[in-house]
Amino acid sequence: GIQVEQSPPDLILQEGANSTLRCNFSDSVNNLQWFHQNPWGQLINLFYIPSGTKQNGRLSATTVATERYSLLYISSSQTTDSGVYFCAVPRYNQGGKLIFGQGTELSVKP
Amino acid sequence: NAGVTQTPKFQVLKTGQSMTLQCAQDMNHNSMYWYRQDPGMGLRLIYYSASEGTTDKGEVPNGYNVSRLNKREFSLRLESAAPSQTSVYFCASRKNLGQGNTEAFFGQGTRLTVV
Repeated sequence: GIQVEQSPPDLILQEGANSTLRCNFSDSVNNLQWFHQNPWGQLINLFYIPSGTKQNGRLSATTVATERYSLLYISSSQTTDSGVYFCAVPRYNQGGKLIFGQGTELSVKP
Repeated sequence: NAGVTQTPKFQVLKTGQSMTLQCAQDMNHNSMYWYRQDPGMGLRLIYYSASEGTTDKGEVPNGYNVSRLNKREFSLRLESAAPSQTSVYFCASRKNLGQGNTEAFFGQGTRLTVV
């Protein structure tokens, strides 16, 4: 089955710093999502981005489907950005279930 | 717009007790899912329902049953809880965006402890 790998596994930032999180996938996909799991455990949709670039405030994401990777950029990080960031791709031959990467745990220090 | 709503948010059960986790979505999505999240294991699919009236097993269905009561509601039942079922449970629904594209939305999770 498809493998989804995220890097780095952990990241510690000072407030105000920028960061780039990476998601590699082993097979072609026509769909990819980024989620933020906050310290309270909620999974929040950040981006649906099968290809191209999207921006939402301080966050942006780029997926290059032909090269099988996606990047999540966080600029001017804030303490509220802390938590775990997941990328996930669906498998339509398995009911559309999401295959998640192992996540990047981000800690933003004041 | 509430999205995907799960109840309860927290639950403690004794081994052997039963309970039902409730999930409802108000986005008119056909497909719904139950995942569990465990440290080091990521999110794993328990059961899913592609449409009202259908359910299918996922990766880790043992010890669970589900009911797709109607298009809105998809419940997960633990008949005889075991400590191995201590986990955080997430319900999700999937929006069809057309042309084979879909987007998933998650509930806020249920933190279950079996003692």
